[in-house]
This record gives sequence, structure tokens and C-alpha cells, in this order.
Amino acid sequence: AQSVTQLGSHVSVSEGALVLLRCNYSSSVPPYLFWYVQYPNQGLQLLLKYTSAATLVKGINGFEAEFKKSETSFHLTKPSAHMSDAAEYFCAVMAGYSTLTFGKGTMLLVSP
Amino acid sequence: DAGVIQSPRHEVTEMGQEVTLRCKPISGHNSLFWYRQTMMRGLELLIYFNNNVPIDDSGMPEDRFSAKMPNASFSTLKIQPSEPRDSAVYFCASLAQNTEAFFGQGTRLTVV
Repeated sequence: AQSVTQLGSHVSVSEGALVLLRCNYSSSVPPYLFWYVQYPNQGLQLLLKYTSAATLVKGINGFEAEFKKSETSFHLTKPSAHMSDAAEYFCAVMAGYSTLTFGKGTMLLVSP
Repeated sequence: DAGVIQSPRHEVTEMGQEVTLRCKPISGHNSLFWYRQTMMRGLELLIYFNNNVPIDDSGMPEDRFSAKMPNASFSTLKIQPSEPRDSAVYFCASLAQNTEAFFGQGTRLTVV
């Protein structure tokens, strides 16, 4: 079985501040891990993915995430938040040739 | 490729009516997922197809829900009879082996 836990349903930051969205996973086999972003009234768009290559993964819009097996974590970071980053972010896990399981999502709020 | 195409984008129907949601996956993708998104429950996996065969339908809430994938380029999700609690956004996603999932824009279903 596989699962994803996202800590914090809402995260608020000021424009220019560091963004940190937390994701922990559970998987019985080496996983693939993903971060998706959802803007209002839209589908989910891939930000970045980990597929057992480099543990530090860089994605679009300046986001990156680090896979830490010892901590079963895949936290998403961005050094400096922009107003346009305000959206909902989803962490997801796929282990083996199984289904894609999502966390509950974290709404990122960015204030001027 | 135009991406994953879902239709309709919006559907309003009366309780008890049959609803059919449609999805055209990206050509060449061999896996297809149907998800339901609500404020209360987040993103829930309803059913997962691989090579047109249903692999995991444990997320289908009850017998009123059914899904088919008659060929690699088309899938439907049917609700009969529909109930107000089925109101949600329904997403279809497809992926090729060892890649990320691509999502459609979703169908917003309102059952009154």
C-alpha cells in the first residue's frame, strides 16, 4: 500500500519569502514522487517529479524538491515566493506499476 | 497533442438522472485514471485502467457508478441514478509507462 501525507492544509507566506510545502510518503517499494499544482478551475499541472535519479529535483517556476529516503519525505521549496504562486499544491506517489495516490493538498497563500 | 480532453466541462442535472462523463486520453498512453475532487474529501481515485482493462475500482463509491474503456482512445464514467452528493469535479488523467500523469480540465458536475 502507498500513501501521502501533506502537513498543513494552508500555508501563508509573504511575497519574496521562502516557500516550504511538506510531503511525507509511505511505500513498500521504491516510489516515484510528484508535485502538481492546481490553479482555480483548472486541472492539475506537473511541477516536478522524482523517478530514482537525482535526489534533488528541479521543476518549473523555480520550484525544487529533495527526496530523502531516510525521512520518507519529498518537501517542495522555492527560495522566493511570487504572487502568481498562489494555488493548491498536491504531492503524489506511485509505487511500482500501481495507482497514483495524492495527498490532501496544501493551499499556498501569498501576501504582498 | 491536445492533451487529455474531457467533456462536458460543466454538467447540471436533476437528481435521479443519468450522467455520462467522457475522456479522451493522450495518444500512446496506456494508463487512465478517473478522480473525483471535493472540498471535503480532496482528490479521490475512483478507478484505474491499464491497457483498457480496469485494474483497481475500489474507489468507485457504489453501484451507481460505472466506468468503461472500450478502446485506448476513449473512456466514460457513468452515474445512474445521480444524487446531490455526487456533485464534484471529476478529472480524467492518462500516463505512459514511467512518466507523469497528465490531467484533463475536469468536468464540474452539479446535481440538484
